[in-house]
Amino acid sequence: KQEVTQIPAALSVPEGENLVLNCSFTDSAIYNLQWFRQDPGKGLTSLLLIQSSQREQTSGRLNASLDKSSGRSTLYIAASQPGDSATYLCAVSGGADGLTFGKGTHLIIQP
Amino acid sequence: NAGVMQNPRHLVRRRGQEARLRCSPMKGHSHVYWYRQLPEEGLKFMVYLQKENIIDESGMPKERFSAEFPKEGPSILRIQQVVRGDSAAYFCASSPGTGNMNTEAFFGQGTRLTVV
Repeated sequence: KQEVTQIPAALSVPEGENLVLNCSFTDSAIYNLQWFRQDPGKGLTSLLLIQSSQREQTSGRLNASLDKSSGRSTLYIAASQPGDSATYLCAVSGGADGLTFGKGTHLIIQP
Repeated sequence: NAGVMQNPRHLVRRRGQEARLRCSPMKGHSHVYWYRQLPEEGLKFMVYLQKENIIDESGMPKERFSAEFPKEGPSILRIQQVVRGDSAAYFCASSPGTGNMNTEAFFGQGTRLTVV
């Protein structure tokens, strides 16, 4: 059974810092990995999708990497801003049973 | 192109009542997934549907819960005889018709169910 772990569970940093969020998964037989952002009381916004054959994806100040063999992904956020404050979720797709999510990293960027 | 639409956004039910949650997928998407997010828990897969078919319901509780995605209209997640433990945020996601394996999932805003 696939399990997804996200570290740290919470992170608070001053504005402007570069930061890294970590995600690990137990079964490397995945089709893709997605990073989402969730604001309080809101839905999920897809940030980046990495196919299993890819190593990384970039969108603006966000860069996500995937090491499928070791079961790890990182989300790098450059030059963090207060508007980046949210919960970041990592999820892997392994087949017909939908996405398996981690519990998320709650990020606070201090102005 | 409207995103995944869920309604209602908030739903309050008394114990023993029925809850019906609706999800309209993105235009052109024929695959729908339902997830539940309990307080302080991660999102958990419940069911995967295509038009008129349940593909995988391995995450669905065996009793009181059912889901459908008719040929016409939205997908419906139905919870009968709700209990306080059903209080959660229920999210719907959709993806294009080639299956979930290599395609991006788009999520709705969720329905927050409160059972009193």
